[in-house]
Amino acid sequence: GDSVTQMEGPVTLSEEAFLTINCTYTATGYPSLFWYVQYPGEGLQLLLKATKADDKGSNKGFEATYRKETTSFHLEKGSVQVSDSAVYFCALSPTGGYQKVTFGTGTKLQVIP
Amino acid sequence: EPEVTQTPSHQVTQMGQEVILRCVPISNHLYFYWYRQILGQKVEFLVSFYNNEISEKSEIFDDQFSVERPDGSNFTLKIRSTKLEDSAMYFCASRGHSKNIQYFGAGTRLSVL
Repeated sequence: GDSVTQMEGPVTLSEEAFLTINCTYTATGYPSLFWYVQYPGEGLQLLLKATKADDKGSNKGFEATYRKETTSFHLEKGSVQVSDSAVYFCALSPTGGYQKVTFGTGTKLQVIP
Repeated sequence: EPEVTQTPSHQVTQMGQEVILRCVPISNHLYFYWYRQILGQKVEFLVSFYNNEISEKSEIFDDQFSVERPDGSNFTLKIRSTKLEDSAMYFCASRGHSKNIQYFGAGTRLSVL
C-alpha cells in the first residue's frame, strides 16, 4: 500500500537557519503530495501541495518539489522563524478513488531565538 | 474563508460509554473523512463517506464505529463502547468534487478514562 517516510525529529534550529525536512513516498501511479503543519494545540493546516512531477509547491516561504525519479518531496525554507515551530507532516493522496490521505509520522521543528 | 468545524474540542468519557463526535464540513463539499491521531503517533485514516455511504474504511474502523450524515450539514462519528485505546485526537476532513485537497478541522481530543 501507499506509505510516506519522513525524517525523525525533533529538529532544533536557530532563527534564520536553513530548514530541510526529508520526505519520500511509495505509491502506485501519480499521487498528489502535501505538507501539512500542526501548530501546538491546533489542527492540521495545509501548508503546500504539488499534483504532478516537477511541480513546486510554495507557501509562507516554504517550498517542496515533486520529484518522481527519487519519489521525494522534501520541505525547505531559507530562513526559519520562531513562529515556524510546529509539527510538519508529509502526506500523499491518490488521484483516483476516494483519495484518503496517507501521512508520514511527522517531524517536530523547534526554532530558538 | 470556509472551514471545517468540529465539536466538542475536548471530550472526556468513561470506558464503555458511547460518544458522538460532530463535524460540520465545508458547505459545498461532497467527500467526508475521519482520521485519528494517537498522542505522539501519525495521523491515521479511519473512514471516507460519499453519497450517504461509507466508501472506504480502515481496519481500525471496526463494528464499534459508525458514521452518519443525519441532516445534510453535520457529519458524525459514533463510538459505541469506548475503550482506553480510543483516546486520541479525531480529525474530520472534507473535500470538494474537483480539487484533491482535504480541509481538516481543528480536531476533537477524546479522553477515555
